[in-house]
Amino acid sequence: GENVEQHPSTLSVQEGDSAVIKCTYSDSASNYFPWYKQELGKRPQLIIDIRSNVGEKKDQRIAVTLNKTAKHFSLHITETQPEDSAVYFCAASSNDYKLSFGAGTTVTVRA
Amino acid sequence: DAEITQSPRHKITETGRQVTLACHQTWNHNNMFWYRQDLGHGLRLIHYSYGVHDTNKGEVSDGYSVSRSNTEDLPLTLESAASSQTSVYFCASSGGSQPQHFGDGTRLSIL
Repeated sequence: GENVEQHPSTLSVQEGDSAVIKCTYSDSASNYFPWYKQELGKRPQLIIDIRSNVGEKKDQRIAVTLNKTAKHFSLHITETQPEDSAVYFCAASSNDYKLSFGAGTTVTVRA
Repeated sequence: DAEITQSPRHKITETGRQVTLACHQTWNHNNMFWYRQDLGHGLRLIHYSYGVHDTNKGEVSDGYSVSRSNTEDLPLTLESAASSQTSVYFCASSGGSQPQHFGDGTRLSIL
């Protein structure tokens, strides 16, 4: 089955700086890559996703890049704010339905 | 508004007891999923269903079962609860190739 690895496991950044989280996947058939944000005690919520026919997607301060050849994708958060502090999960799917998740990255934005 | 609800939100039980966690969605989604979340492991898939009377095992299905008798509900049953099943459980649903949306989770403690 699909194996998704996520790095780093923790990330501390100064407010206003950028944060980058990287994920690799094993199944070359994977074609859908969502990112979820989970605040403490809350449900995971989708923040951005990308499909394999696209190399990059942006939504305000958040962007995701995909390199299908290398089988890795990354989340970029620019101009970080305190409300960006959360756990972020990447995931991959080969059929648009069943997701395999990375282990998560705890992001702390220092004021 | 359509939503996905889980109940109970918290439960404490004893080893060996049978436990059922409820998941109900009003989006009329065909796809429903159960995950468990443990520190350092992210979200791991327990069981999933692509429609009424369809159920499939995920990566950590031992000791768990599900049934899908209608579109709205996918209850998760722990046949004989074990301390290793202490976790936070999330239900999610999706329609077609749309992203998964999660419930608020159930925190289950097995003593």
